[in-house]
Amino acid sequence: QQQVKQSPQSLIVQKGGISIINCAYENTAFDYFPWYQQFPGKGPALLIAIRPDVSEKKEGRFTISFNKSAKQFSLHIMDSQPGDSATYFCAASMRAGGFKTIFGAGTRLFVKA
Amino acid sequence: DGGITQSPKYLFRKEGQNVTLSCEQNLNHDAMYWYRQDPGQGLRLIYYSQIVNDFQKGDIAEGYSVSREKKESFPLTVTSAQKNPTAFYLCASSINGLGETQYFGPGTRLLVL
Repeated sequence: QQQVKQSPQSLIVQKGGISIINCAYENTAFDYFPWYQQFPGKGPALLIAIRPDVSEKKEGRFTISFNKSAKQFSLHIMDSQPGDSATYFCAASMRAGGFKTIFGAGTRLFVKA
Repeated sequence: DGGITQSPKYLFRKEGQNVTLSCEQNLNHDAMYWYRQDPGQGLRLIYYSQIVNDFQKGDIAEGYSVSREKKESFPLTVTSAQKNPTAFYLCASSINGLGETQYFGPGTRLLVL
């Protein structure tokens, strides 16, 4: 119940293409779903986040789609660029109740020029 | 500039030696965390602290110790009991609760001589 399953493990996309990373969770009490981006040798940084009261959130080329009934959420990167090459982590947490954030295993994205 | 600093960037440990990784934040955040990241893997929680003078074990606390004497500081000691310490160590903080957005430091890479 505390796992967040992320797929694929790695992804290669052509420049200008769409990158899609999927995550699934079990605990219906989760109410905050952030995505983090990590470049090699650096710490992760918040990319975009969503709460379960909305089905989609868009920030620039990055969109989170959220399906509450299926307990799934995904990150879409439109017009993928070589600079997007990084590892992406989804996560899930409960803002109240002192429950720790659960991270997915990560997806290594490589965008070919 | 507000943020999280970690030092050193690289650390070498000899057999049987304890080493301490530094983590400082000037974000006025209450909660702080230590994660371990192994190559190609996700983030595993070592210890976390929600308030000064209090901390809790995470998923892989064996062989590690922490202290939280000041709000700004959360040092991690890798003891000689940790038999496989080679990894990338990440410190993070959040405003208060465990479920909030986490802000990560640049990381410390620990290598065994």
